[in-house]
Parts: sequence; structure tokens; C-alpha cells
Amino acid sequence: GQQVMQIPQYQHVQEGEDFTTYCNSSTTLSNIQWYKQRPGGHPVFLIQLVKSGEVKKQKRLTFQFGEAKKNSSLHITATQTTDVGTYFCAGWTDSWGKLQFGAGTQVVVTP
Amino acid sequence: DADVTQTPRNRITKTGKRIMLECSQTKGHDRMYWYRQDPGLGLRLIYYSFDVKDINKGEISDGYSVSRQAQAKFSLSLESAIPNQTALYFCATSERGQGRETQYFGPGTRLLVL
Repeated sequence: GQQVMQIPQYQHVQEGEDFTTYCNSSTTLSNIQWYKQRPGGHPVFLIQLVKSGEVKKQKRLTFQFGEAKKNSSLHITATQTTDVGTYFCAGWTDSWGKLQFGAGTQVVVTP
Repeated sequence: DADVTQTPRNRITKTGKRIMLECSQTKGHDRMYWYRQDPGLGLRLIYYSFDVKDINKGEISDGYSVSRQAQAKFSLSLESAIPNQTALYFCATSERGQGRETQYFGPGTRLLVL
């Protein structure tokens, strides 16, 4: 089964609105990465979070790593049509020995 | 990333046929991975290789085999293709590290098994 859970699976957003997607693990993670896959494209690395409670921003995207290092979130402000795609989180812990991807959140933006 | 290439980009085959998907990289990375993507299931790891002499099964390796011919090449074979192997297949690479290395994905191969 999936060791890294993402919710929601699907997000329909009006252009200009904000939204948040969440990533959860029952295991304490060493770090978490976020990737974006545009429609018809391949996953592309966005960012990595390593420290408990860490917050990083990329323009309108804000990434947060939970205090317990078991969850993470991606918040997008003032959504644009360029934000369309599927966002994956991927967690790492030594016991897994490899990156575990969540199922992704597919984001659709309507003008 | 043009540094990771996959061939073919699209493939239609029939049930029972053996096919090979190829991945090449010019990034000089030691680690290579094969994933399949299905709607709603995200990226599932099929096989991975941490160097030329190292091959490991992922979570869904049944019905697949791999070959790491060189540091730069990692091939995925479907021994006897079946319709539920219809999916989008990605190759990825990463540097050697302690879990913080980024994965770089190829453009994908879309496979249809009839």
C-alpha cells in the first residue's frame, strides 16, 4: 500500500483562488520532496524540505514540513492557469531506503 | 530533462509479446529507476539500480525484468505483455546520496498492450 498519502486526489480551482494540498506519512520522514508534472509531461523537482517545521516559498507556492516530520503541505496563492498539473510529494526515510511517492494531486484551473 | 532519454516514446504491442523499453542518461548519475504511472495511483516503483552491479525490485516488479548495461543505460523488459501493463512508464536518475538526492525523470514511454 501507499506509504505516503496525498489529499485531495483531485482539485478543481477557479483562477485567482488559493488552495492547499496535503501529504501524510505514518512514518517520521528524513526529508520530503515535491514534484510537478504538467499535462503530457514528466515529473519535475520543485523543492526539498529537511528540517522540522521548515517553510519554503517559491513565488506563489509555499511548502511546509510538519513539526513531527510526518506531514507536508503545498499552498498555492492566487492560482493561475500555469499551475495546472499533478503535484507529487515524495518522502524518504532510512528504513525505506528509497524515495516513496504519493499518488499525487491533480489540479485543474478554470479561468 | 533532455539528459534522460527514453525510447520508444510510444509503443503498441499485443498480449504475449516481449518488449523492451530503454533509458539512457548523460547526467553521470549512479542511480536509475523505472516507474509506471496509472491514473489515481501515482508513480509506482518497478525496479531500481544503485550502480551497475546492483539491481533491486520495487513494489510492482512481477512481470518485469531489467538490465543495467552500463552506468548510463537501464532497460526494462516486459517478458510477456498483458493488457494491465498498459501504462505510462518513466525512467529516472539520481546521484548517489543519503536520501536527499533529486530524481530526474525522462519524458516517458506510453505503452498500450492490446
